[in-house]
Amino acid sequence: NAGVMQNPRHLVRRRGQEARLRCSPMKGHSHVYWYRQLPEEGLKFMVYLQKENIIDESGMPKERFSAEFPKEGPSILRIQQVVRGDSAAYFCASSPLTHPPDTQYFGPGTRLTVL
Amino acid sequence: SQQGEEDPQALSIQEGENATMNCSYKTSINNLQWYRQNSGRGLVHLILIRSNEREKHSGRLRVTLDTSKKSSSLLITASRAADTASYFCATDEKGGGGNKLTFGTGTQLKVEL
Repeated sequence: NAGVMQNPRHLVRRRGQEARLRCSPMKGHSHVYWYRQLPEEGLKFMVYLQKENIIDESGMPKERFSAEFPKEGPSILRIQQVVRGDSAAYFCASSPLTHPPDTQYFGPGTRLTVL
Repeated sequence: SQQGEEDPQALSIQEGENATMNCSYKTSINNLQWYRQNSGRGLVHLILIRSNEREKHSGRLRVTLDTSKKSSSLLITASRAADTASYFCATDEKGGGGNKLTFGTGTQLKVEL
């Protein structure tokens, strides 16, 4: 059973370009979460999605950032017009549909560097 | 200070010794989880303890939870060099509407031979 997959693992962009980060959850998992980790810091929640729905985007910057989890295909985190401050590791996690909420399984992350 | 703060920030021990890390949080929670992160890598889930549990074991790991003090501890017994990593606690806030995890800043553990 494959774990959470993220690609690319490393992404380099110049200021003003767009970054697209992909996440495929574990098989059977219907919840996807995106977190950002700045150097030497813990992870910060960005957004929580289920298929075709954004459930909680309270951690997303108001501008330039968007996320989707379509009916088919991976979840996408998109950052438009990147700036140097967007350089970070972006982690995706998934969990099964359980109540109460249960363990989140993390992918290996995408390390974004903005030049 | 933020939800989920670990203490100490860094810990250096000899192989074979025990390592204890503490985590404090601020709100009521559904559960608390501990994760390990090796340098430059993703997070590995270690253990989940629910708000109605007080202690949990998994191999060389022992986690305690004191909801009255809003604190948790992670004990790694008989440490190994391979345990060198950063350890994070993460809380799932009760009534949060989903399981949005709030992470602390982590404890960097170094186990020396």
